[in-house]
Amino acid sequence: DSGVTQTPKHLITATGQRVTLRCSPRSGDLSVYWYQQSLDQGLQFLIQYYNGEERAKGNILERFSAQQFPDLHSELNLSSLELGDSALYFCASNPTGTSYEQYFGPGTRLTVT
Amino acid sequence: AQTVTQSQPEMSVQEAETVTLSCTYDTSESDYYLFWYKQPPSRQMILVIRQEAYKQQNATENRFSVNFQKAAKSFSLKISDSQLGDAAMYFCALSETSGSRLTFGEGTQLTVNP
Repeated sequence: DSGVTQTPKHLITATGQRVTLRCSPRSGDLSVYWYQQSLDQGLQFLIQYYNGEERAKGNILERFSAQQFPDLHSELNLSSLELGDSALYFCASNPTGTSYEQYFGPGTRLTVT
Repeated sequence: AQTVTQSQPEMSVQEAETVTLSCTYDTSESDYYLFWYKQPPSRQMILVIRQEAYKQQNATENRFSVNFQKAAKSFSLKISDSQLGDAAMYFCALSETSGSRLTFGEGTQLTVNP
């Protein structure tokens, strides 16, 4: 158990819908990262937050957005969902937001039908 | 841009034997970190080992060790005394000091045969 929690574990929804994925980092970790793992594109970095502020952006679609709250939990919002958004979404955290190891949550499996 | 390449989509090893997984990378930074993560069928991403680029000594964690060749930009993982529980997808990953995102390779699926 990494100490990073993600909810829900599984999510099935229809095209065009909007969903919110939630992540709680390890106790004391200020930085949260979101990654997408899909069959065709592998593991890709989406976005990073550090202590409530956006720090880095990767290949995140405009239909996706995220935020980190004062209690340091983070939410990833996916809207106007398409079939291609079906993937495993991971949240990871580390203490200072620097280049040290990241600890991953169990992931949220999103299926868009 | 940083890139990570794993050229072995699949590898297999006999239980108790040794196997080496390959990884090459590219970065313009002089200071960076390299990692191997393991993803078993549960899909959980588990950190196996970490190497700081400024350290010449290769990292070791129990049965897992790396061969870090900085000039060649190569970072291979050696698993000794392979166990059935080592069967998983293994990802090589790179993180640059200037930005802490992880860039992953394509992964190597390791099968351990009893």
